[in-house]
Amino acid sequence: GAVVSQHPSWVICKSGTSVKIECRSLDFQATTMFWYRQFPKQSLMLMATSNEGSKATYEQGVEKDKFLINHASLTLSTLTVTSAHPEDSSFYICSARGGQNEQFFGPGTRLTVL
Amino acid sequence: SQQGEEDPQALSIQEGENATMNCSYKTSINNLQWYRQNSGRGLVHLILIRSNEREKHSGRLRVTLDTSKKSSSLLITASRAADTASYFCATAPSNDYKLSFGAGTTVTVRA
Repeated sequence: GAVVSQHPSWVICKSGTSVKIECRSLDFQATTMFWYRQFPKQSLMLMATSNEGSKATYEQGVEKDKFLINHASLTLSTLTVTSAHPEDSSFYICSARGGQNEQFFGPGTRLTVL
Repeated sequence: SQQGEEDPQALSIQEGENATMNCSYKTSINNLQWYRQNSGRGLVHLILIRSNEREKHSGRLRVTLDTSKKSSSLLITASRAADTASYFCATAPSNDYKLSFGAGTTVTVRA
């Protein structure tokens, strides 16, 4: 199956700093990638849809200036959490859309903001 | 937004038994997908069933879809300890490809 990687797998940062998370489709091209957030023992909540070469589409309630998304190529999307605060601590998961509209998920990034 | 609801929330079974979990949704869909998530890991795509399909098999997995009732079920036969995970259904609406995830069912398979 299609493989999606994320980097880093975990990150700890100080409050007020910015953190960048990368999502790569390794063996296929993805014009569309998605960013999700998951709190402990909860389901995934879609944050935004990342489209190659255009602006991301954010879900209601997600601050676009805080969660910057860049989809510069067909295999890479990045999520930057700006001025991170402890409440931003979460598990961030990306996915890439396949040819049949299925989604292939990355392994996730655990963000802890101190 | 989440539109899928799953039950049960948690399921504990003995190795070798079957595990069944259900998913209900609210709007018309293009397809429904089931995913598995091991603790602290990403999601693994298990199976996709289209709105015009009623049943689909993949190995020990059997998925049914009843669009009239807006519900789906996932059956894992002859469960193994390695099947211990959370299972999520996700729906793609007819006019979009964004997925909405259910709350998930946590399955524990006891050896």
